[in-house]
Amino acid sequence: AQRVTQPEKLLSVFKGAPVELKCNYSYSGSPELFWYVQYSRQRLQLLLRHISRESIKGFTADLNKGETSFHLKKPFAQEEDSAMYYCALGRYYKLSFGAGTTVTVRA
Amino acid sequence: NAGVTQTPKFRILKIGQSMTLQCTQDMNHNYMYWYRQDPGMGLKLIYYSVGAGITDKGEVPNGYNVSRSTTEDFPLRLLSAAPSQTSVYFCASSYVSGGVYEQFFGPGTRLTVL
Repeated sequence: AQRVTQPEKLLSVFKGAPVELKCNYSYSGSPELFWYVQYSRQRLQLLLRHISRESIKGFTADLNKGETSFHLKKPFAQEEDSAMYYCALGRYYKLSFGAGTTVTVRA
Repeated sequence: NAGVTQTPKFRILKIGQSMTLQCTQDMNHNYMYWYRQDPGMGLKLIYYSVGAGITDKGEVPNGYNVSRSTTEDFPLRLLSAAPSQTSVYFCASSYVSGGVYEQFFGPGTRLTVL
């Protein structure tokens, strides 16, 4: 069975500091991994996917198959990054979500 | 485009009552999904559909039913409400192109069963 673990429920950082959200997965096949974000009073939306290898809003995530991780990183956090972040594992166009990490960026 | 719309936004049910959560998308997506999110937990897949007339169970289907008569609509029915079904329900739809896909979510329905 596939599973996604986000060990931190809450993460608080100062503006301008680096932020890293951890995500570990268990899956026997080739994983498709995503980060979704939900800003206050907005819908859940895709932030980035591992196959695109892109940087969105300054965030990057690297798939490490050896450590079965897909951590999300940003070198300089901004106040507008305060949100709920979900790591998700995709299989046959369905997603399994982690429990989420609430990020608060303080001025 | 409105994207994915859900009605109602909030609802309180008594134990044993039934209701239908509505979901409509105007993006002509083939794939649609229903999730529930309990406090402090991630979203769990209830049912999904890969096209009109085709539905299948997700991780937590018990106590629910779905149908997909059109591409646009994917209603979720609670058969006999139980307190364990108190949750926030999200509908989503997805395009699939060359193996790449992205799920678009509705605003959610907050359901309380008393």
